[in-house]
Amino acid sequence: NAGVTQTPKFRVLKTGQSMTLLCAQDMNHEYMYWYRQDPGMGLRLIHYSVGEGTTAKGEVPDGYNVSRLKKQNFLLGLESAAPSQTSVYFCASSYFGHHNEQFFGPGTRLTVL
Amino acid sequence: ILNVEQSPQSLHVQEGDSTNFTCSFPSSNFYALHWYRWETAKSPEALFVMTLNGDEKKKGRISATLNTKEGYSYLYIKGSQPEDSATYLCAFSSNAGKSTFGDGTTLTVKP
Repeated sequence: NAGVTQTPKFRVLKTGQSMTLLCAQDMNHEYMYWYRQDPGMGLRLIHYSVGEGTTAKGEVPDGYNVSRLKKQNFLLGLESAAPSQTSVYFCASSYFGHHNEQFFGPGTRLTVL
Repeated sequence: ILNVEQSPQSLHVQEGDSTNFTCSFPSSNFYALHWYRWETAKSPEALFVMTLNGDEKKKGRISATLNTKEGYSYLYIKGSQPEDSATYLCAFSSNAGKSTFGDGTTLTVKP
């Protein structure tokens, strides 16, 4: 099992450009999450999904959109990137519910110039 | 937004020292408390999940306790080794279905 994978691993964008980060999991987990991690701060939840076809806002959702068309994939989109979105993005999944342990992907380092 | 605080922010110890850190969380609407270990250039990995007041978990030299009534959890490392160097995150899950991570405690163990 690959677990949780993320693509790409690194990306540099110019302000105003758009991009999509892909998260895939092969553990048949219901819940999936997108976090951002900034220096000196922990993980902040951007959006999450409790199942295929569902999405919900987390703590810092502004400037991001998500989709969960297939159970195994969770996409994070930036429609118009801003320097404030420079961060490391982590995807995670859990079997069922926020109380279960989360399995994390390797992260995507995004720089917006 | 749920307030989850970890202290200290960072800690430097010598190899062989024992150490502990704290995670504070809301004492109401408690569902579960998680500890994760996060090594540099890797992803967070789950250490423990605790759900009952008074829970104690142990994995090798690392153990954790939980007090849901007063809203805190301790993580203990006995006889720290350089390979224990990492950031330790706690995450509070409420029964409203929300999870919030603390900012972590970064442990550095010097040989």
